[in-house]
Amino acid sequence: SQQGEEDPQALSIQEGENATMNCSYKTSINNLQWYRQNSGRGLVHLILIRSNEREKHSGRLRVTLDTSKKSSSLLITASRAADTASYFCATDALRGNTPLVFGKGTRLSVIA
Amino acid sequence: SQTIHQWPATLVQPVGSPLSLECTVEGTSNPNLYWYRQAAGRGLQLLFYSVGIGQISSEVPQNLSASRPQDRQFILSSKKLLLSDSGFYLCAWTGGQGSPLHFGNGTRLTVT
Repeated sequence: SQQGEEDPQALSIQEGENATMNCSYKTSINNLQWYRQNSGRGLVHLILIRSNEREKHSGRLRVTLDTSKKSSSLLITASRAADTASYFCATDALRGNTPLVFGKGTRLSVIA
Repeated sequence: SQTIHQWPATLVQPVGSPLSLECTVEGTSNPNLYWYRQAAGRGLQLLFYSVGIGQISSEVPQNLSASRPQDRQFILSSKKLLLSDSGFYLCAWTGGQGSPLHFGNGTRLTVT
């Protein structure tokens, strides 16, 4: 089954810096979604980008999608300590009614 | 507004004991429901999903089963727990294909 793979596995930055996380996947998709997970909690949906979109913004988040390379990136600008969390990409298959498949995530630490 | 409830938050069970985790969704009808498991520091493994009452799809053959006795209720069960069943269990719902997932706060299960 297709799977998003995030890179890097872990990222540590200073507050105010930008954080970039990447996701690669294997097969054709309807959309790609990014989620955030604080330690010991459920995942929270951040942003969804459809296969016919190339870039999407939401506040300090910027997501790009390159379907020719089967990859996506999540950029968090002007990071804050509160952005410390794990970030997951999830792919929604092109064929109908199949569940999202998640990658293993990137663990982001923002140091104040 | 829609809400998802998952309980208990934490559970410690001996090997060989039964398990029942419950998840309910409010404020929507006919949701797609999901059970995921997350090992420590790892990604999400899809266990079961359901697109309607009595319709359960199993993604991974294992010691667990799921049931959907009511439209907005999803139950994860085991007759005899194994040590390898320890993990963080997450219930989620979506309004349909292509929609974001909404997660509960999870159950931390420790099998001793």
